[in-house]
Amino acid sequence: EPEVTQTPSHQVTQMGQEVILRCVPISNHLYFYWYRQILGQKVEFLVSFYNNEISEKSEIFDDQFSVERPDGSNFTLKIRSTKLEDSAMYFCASTIAAGVDPYFGPGTRLTVT
Amino acid sequence: GESVGLHLPTLSVQEGDNSIINCAYSNSASDYFIWYKQESGKGPQFIIDIRSNMDKRQGQRVTVLLNKTVKHLSLQIAATQPGDSAVYFCAENSGNTGGFKTIFGAGTRLFVKA
Repeated sequence: EPEVTQTPSHQVTQMGQEVILRCVPISNHLYFYWYRQILGQKVEFLVSFYNNEISEKSEIFDDQFSVERPDGSNFTLKIRSTKLEDSAMYFCASTIAAGVDPYFGPGTRLTVT
Repeated sequence: GESVGLHLPTLSVQEGDNSIINCAYSNSASDYFIWYKQESGKGPQFIIDIRSNMDKRQGQRVTVLLNKTVKHLSLQIAATQPGDSAVYFCAENSGNTGGFKTIFGAGTRLFVKA
């Protein structure tokens, strides 16, 4: 069964550093998403991406965040200058069409010290 | 039910019993709802979905009920097993053809006692 993959599984970084979280969505999917989950809390939407542009973003997704699809397979989330409160699990998801349930990856645990 | 914050509502059931997990949603315009299961250290896993033109949908051992009048969703798990222990999230999808976003509820932690 096809799956969304994410690397690394765990990233530790110092406050103020840049991090790039990587995702490989399912190959024939067209819509891509990032979500985050702070420990013990609910999963929160960050951004959706379609046709090489952001289609929607939440208030969490400020100008410290950016996304990119650098090639035909990868989808990345960059945090320019990490803050302690960015520590969370970050989940990538993808769908083949709008309005269907997203397939989630296993997540990257980001720890900012 | 729903709550916000670090303390998830919990439901503890005996193995073999039926479980009912409830959820209230906020957006009356939402037309697509999903239940997810999340095990420790893993991403959300799709269980079952329902569109707003239905009020009930059944899967294998799971049933989702939708009451649009009171904006309430429930997940019923029949003959609950230890492997069902997890956090369960209801979610509503909203958006347009450019992309949908899935809005998650706070989650309910299900404990299954053997």
